Amino acid sequence: AQSVTQPDIHITVSEGASLELRCNYSYGATPYLFWYVQSPGQGLQLLLKYFSGDTLVQGIKGFEAEFKRSQSSFNLRKPSVHWSDAAEYFCAVGPSGAGSYQLTFGKGTKLSVIP
Amino acid sequence: EAQVTQNPRYLITVTGKKLTVTCSQNMNHEYMSWYRQDPGLGLRQIYYSMNVEATDKGDVPEGYKVSRKEKRNFPLILESPSPNQTSLYFCASSLGDRVAGELFFGEGSRLTVL
Repeated sequence: AQSVTQPDIHITVSEGASLELRCNYSYGATPYLFWYVQSPGQGLQLLLKYFSGDTLVQGIKGFEAEFKRSQSSFNLRKPSVHWSDAAEYFCAVGPSGAGSYQLTFGKGTKLSVIP
Repeated sequence: EAQVTQNPRYLITVTGKKLTVTCSQNMNHEYMSWYRQDPGLGLRQIYYSMNVEATDKGDVPEGYKVSRKEKRNFPLILESPSPNQTSLYFCASSLGDRVAGELFFGEGSRLTVL
């Protein structure tokens, strides 16, 4: 069965600093990978997704993520964090070619930003 | 505006009193799903629907019912709520089951069962 691990429950960074959120997945074949963001009091919003091709994918709000098959990782990065990035971030994995019902979410990483 | 609308957003109820959380989407999406979010457990799928009259269990279906009589609506029914169903609930939709594409989420419904 597929699984997703987000090792960091809570991360605090200063505004303007760089950010990397970790995501490791377990899946036997090439997965579909996603990062979602949940702002306080809001639903989840898709930041970016990886299906195939270029392993570095760009998303909204200046985020990017890199798929590393050898490390089974899909880490999310941003070069300079803004206070509005404070939120909870979820990594998700699904079987390639399958539908949304087979998505498995990680438990989330809460990001706090110090002004 | 494309959106998924859930109601109510907040609800406090008592054990055993039946309740329904409504979910409606205006994007003509085939796929809809319900999740619950609990601290330290992340998002867990309750039920999903691939189209009208097609529903299936997710990871934590016990104590819940759903129906999909119309494409746009996917209500979540708690026939006899219990305190362990206190949670934050999200409805989500996407274009289709064969497309592992973007899930659109509602803003959530926070349910407290006393």
